[in-house]
Amino acid sequence: TQLLEQSPQFLSIQEGENLTVYCNSSSVFSSLQWYRQEPGEGPVLLVTVVTGGEVKKLKRLTFQFGDARKDSSLHITAAQPGDTGLYLCAGAEATDSWGKLQFGAGTQVVVTP
Amino acid sequence: DAGVIQSPRHEVTEMGQEVTLRCKPISGHNSLFWYRQTMMRGLELLIYFNNNVPIDDSGMPEDRFSAKMPNASFSTLKIQPSEPRDSAVYFCASSIYNEQFFGPGTRLTVL
Repeated sequence: TQLLEQSPQFLSIQEGENLTVYCNSSSVFSSLQWYRQEPGEGPVLLVTVVTGGEVKKLKRLTFQFGDARKDSSLHITAAQPGDTGLYLCAGAEATDSWGKLQFGAGTQVVVTP
Repeated sequence: DAGVIQSPRHEVTEMGQEVTLRCKPISGHNSLFWYRQTMMRGLELLIYFNNNVPIDDSGMPEDRFSAKMPNASFSTLKIQPSEPRDSAVYFCASSIYNEQFFGPGTRLTVL
């Protein structure tokens, strides 16, 4: 059972469209991170959110941490083919002090030209 | 900074053989994590170290798997004997605070 549930599992859109990926849990996290993984490579850290209600923007990507620090969303505006990849959310539980992360199963995003 | 270095990048071996995967973490990072990724199970945490000491190995699937971190700049994950169901991509990640940085992975195929 995944501690972090991501939805949808798969998303295929046309270039220029917007998309939102969700990450939900019943646990409270001290921080939550989003990674993007491309084929044949390891996950790459995109952003870390720490404060409940926090919103961070990275160019066309907007990340939001829920007020209760149990959920998060990633919104991409005007998606481009270069946004294609597996998006993973990962949470650090408040009770863990070693840097251990709980990963979601990921959302595979495909952006076609 | 060279990032996390893993070797080999690809390994093909026969069932029953010993496999050793290697990882060099980012200098200054105090935690190191070994993960396994498959289509069916996603990214699974196998074991992690803090300051070279194993903290939690509950994700190691069987006694056939073992990991060591003899110093701050090197870790190994060994599978002995290997089985076809061990085929997967194995990632090493190092971290400081709660941000993990992943290596490129080792794709293991056990025939």
